[in-house]
Amino acid sequence: DAGITQSPRHKVTETGTPVTLRCHQTENHRYMYWYRQDPGHGLRLIHYSYGVKDTDKGEVSDGYSVSRSKTEDFLLTLESATSSQTSVYFCAISVGSSYEQYFGPGTRLTVT
Amino acid sequence: AQSVTQLGSHVSVSEGALVLLRCNYSSSVPPYLFWYVQYPNQGLQLLLKYTSAATLVKGINGFEAEFKKSETSFHLTKPSAHMSDAAEYFCAVSEKNFGNEKLTFGTGTRLTIIP
Repeated sequence: DAGITQSPRHKVTETGTPVTLRCHQTENHRYMYWYRQDPGHGLRLIHYSYGVKDTDKGEVSDGYSVSRSKTEDFLLTLESATSSQTSVYFCAISVGSSYEQYFGPGTRLTVT
Repeated sequence: AQSVTQLGSHVSVSEGALVLLRCNYSSSVPPYLFWYVQYPNQGLQLLLKYTSAATLVKGINGFEAEFKKSETSFHLTKPSAHMSDAAEYFCAVSEKNFGNEKLTFGTGTRLTIIP
């Protein structure tokens, strides 16, 4: 158990509304990540953070923003949700010198 | 740039038979390689990792994988499949570049076990 929690675990929202997903870790790891998982695409990196207030884009960052004001929390925001953002979102942390990552339980987001 | 190809999006094997899930990678520098398993409605769990020590890596639940540089492969095997092995499996690669602490995942292989 890597001490990662995600909230909410499930959310249904309407197109055009803002949505914020929260990832919380208990072990002060420097690197945190947000992925989305879609059938046929595996996991794709949205954004990642390498420290407080230090973030960078992943391969599918359009339509998403992130913030990290504390080591333990990494927030993912959909400014104006679209149906194409219906997905399962996973948060992860990087541990050790071999870059292995440990994942949270996921958030299932449905945009209607 | 690093990339991963998993051959076969679905694999079915009989209970007790050999499990072989294929993964080929591309990396400009020596890689770290990983296999993850995902059970239904759960997050990903690290199965095993290769970090340039032994080329044959043993993981949890009886799985192992062999790093073959000449073939750029990191196939996952288990001698005898069990019903509880039914899950989706992801191969991932990370390059040993400082500051590039990112994993690139394959598209996954769903393993079905036939009773």
